[in-house]
Amino acid sequence: AQKITQTQPGMFVQEKEAVTLDCTYDTSDPSYGLFWYKQPSSGEMIFLIYQGSYDQQNATEGRYSLNFQKARKSANLVISASQLGDSAMYFCAMREAYLSGGYNKLIFGAGTRLAVHP
Amino acid sequence: NAGVTQTPKFQVLKTGQSMTLQCAQDMNHEYMSWYRQDPGMGLRLIHYSVGAGITDQGEVPNGYNVSRSTTEDFPLRLLSAAPSQTSVYFCASNPGQGAKTQYFGPGTRLLVL
Repeated sequence: AQKITQTQPGMFVQEKEAVTLDCTYDTSDPSYGLFWYKQPSSGEMIFLIYQGSYDQQNATEGRYSLNFQKARKSANLVISASQLGDSAMYFCAMREAYLSGGYNKLIFGAGTRLAVHP
Repeated sequence: NAGVTQTPKFQVLKTGQSMTLQCAQDMNHEYMSWYRQDPGMGLRLIHYSVGAGITDQGEVPNGYNVSRSTTEDFPLRLLSAAPSQTSVYFCASNPGQGAKTQYFGPGTRLLVL
């Protein structure tokens, strides 16, 4: 069964420093996608970055990059130059194999709460 | 574009009451879904739809019904609310198979007493 594990319930980082949030996954499907979402205290789910299993290069989006190590089944999120506004809950998710009708559901990890200190 | 919209933002129900959570998207996405988020957990899939007139069950469907009469709307009905359904509910949409992102609504916080 597909599974996402985020082993860090909480993380602290100093403003302007880089931080890595860990995510490991388990799947037997050769085709899958990995997502990171940010959930601030206001509650909305904000898409950050996507990595496909066949993508050759690690995904990057501004200050966010995904350290994709396929053999280790890890997809860690790296936030460079942390800002106070980065304080939030971060979720790693995996697009599962197709359900009925071709729908791909997302399987979420339990999340990591990041606190950025000035 | 408004993206994915949800109403209401917050609702309190008594056990046994029924209600409908509304969801709409204006991006012409074929795929829509409902997730719930419980404290300390990620989101879990309740129901999904791959197009108008087509719905199916997700991971935790019991106690919920859905219908999809138009591409834009995907309401979630609670038939007889229970305290275990206290949660935050997110509606989501995406363009279709293999999509590289999933667009989420702002969420509905539901409290069942």
